[in-house]
Amino acid sequence: EAQVTQNPRYLITVTGKKLTVTCSQNMNHEYMSWYRQDPGLGLRQIYYSMNVEVTDKGDVPEGYKVSRKEKRNFPLILESPSPNQTSLYFCASSYRDRVLPGELFFGEGSRLTVL
Amino acid sequence: AQSVTQLDSQVPVFEEAPVELRCNYSSSVSVYLFWYVQYPNQGLQLLLKYLSGSTLVESINGFEAEFNKSQTSFHLRKPSVHISDTAEYFCAVSDPAAGNKLTFGGGTRVLVKP
Repeated sequence: EAQVTQNPRYLITVTGKKLTVTCSQNMNHEYMSWYRQDPGLGLRQIYYSMNVEVTDKGDVPEGYKVSRKEKRNFPLILESPSPNQTSLYFCASSYRDRVLPGELFFGEGSRLTVL
Repeated sequence: AQSVTQLDSQVPVFEEAPVELRCNYSSSVSVYLFWYVQYPNQGLQLLLKYLSGSTLVESINGFEAEFNKSQTSFHLRKPSVHISDTAEYFCAVSDPAAGNKLTFGGGTRVLVKP
């Protein structure tokens, strides 16, 4: 089954304790991206990756890191989480086509609370 | 940079009544337009998209959206909703001039009442 898998789905942590949210897709997609969803703000892009070893900042990258060492994985790293990073996080992937945008496939989300 | 405005944050509607969700985007240059749906406790799923051709696009579950270039709008409609349509709906714009970067609106929460 084609899917994007995120872990953990729910996490409560404390300020400053490093954490990683993993994302894996099994569709051989080149493009992967992280979004955060906050009420009334929709989805805002944190980082994205066009392919292995190629990553770039989205609209709200501060406080986050990513890596893309393998095509299927795109972990999101919070080196020193703060309460304003409490949010619902989504990983998404798609085929990369410069002419036409591909459909984004989303994971089920990771709800993070930073105390 | 593109911006997307969904004018209604919540839309309560009775079952079998029609619904319209409004979406306006900022730029009049050529863009691609999408509606995504998020059912409770799930990720987003593509509902329908406009890339080119006919300005009226339809989904398999009865939704339709009309691209209006002059009004920079892409409103979503359904003539008769079901309880199962309760979800949050996101309009999104992809700008080819910006590498097809996808920008989302703030979302409209639809609550279908029996």
